[in-house]
Amino acid sequence: GAGVSQTPSNKVTEKGKYVELRCDPISGHTALYWYRQSLGQGPEFLIYFQGTGAADDSGLPNDRFFAVRPEGSVSTLKIQRTERGDSAVYLCASSPIDRSTGELFFGEGSRLTVL
Amino acid sequence: AQTVTQSQPEMSVQEAETVTLSCTYDTSESDYYLFWYKQPPSRQMILVIRQEAYKQQNATENRFSVNFQKAAKSFSLKISDSQLGDAAMYFCALGEGGGADGLTFGKGTHLIIQP
Repeated sequence: GAGVSQTPSNKVTEKGKYVELRCDPISGHTALYWYRQSLGQGPEFLIYFQGTGAADDSGLPNDRFFAVRPEGSVSTLKIQRTERGDSAVYLCASSPIDRSTGELFFGEGSRLTVL
Repeated sequence: AQTVTQSQPEMSVQEAETVTLSCTYDTSESDYYLFWYKQPPSRQMILVIRQEAYKQQNATENRFSVNFQKAAKSFSLKISDSQLGDAAMYFCALGEGGGADGLTFGKGTHLIIQP
């Protein structure tokens, strides 16, 4: 498709389970970002990929969160031992340039609910 | 660390009228960029307007314009001739050209359009 695609759109899981969220960026976009948006808040930066490598993972809240982008396109955000506080919308964005100076193109997000 | 503050959780305007959304920010960088993003119920963030800090001229995109006051670190969004389709959450965001990766977002303003 032409836009950023995120799957699943909604995910309900139980506390302690493992979750994977997928992001398929716009073709040709080298920069990829993950954000977390809690209820009533703006998006918070989690991690930034330039190509295959994580150029900045300073926003990941703890070591239960991990993300990969093995071929420089699709990215997967992985959350281990989920907690109720992980419930949020996880947004992915891509950009054709590698700095926070231009437009980010966002997907519709994956809403994670941890029971 | 950079911060973005939106002090209006909710604003309401009559259709066809003009409304201004407020945003203040703080950064130690001299090279930075400011954005307004719109988030409708679909959750997909859409860029409304972008301003480079080094440009004195305020950015304009059709019915949307900004009032950028660099010394006051203020970046307000004016929407003229409000339309029902403008109803959404609006987020102000800051990107630093030479600094941290990713954008820093405010908490958002919920804009209601009264028919």
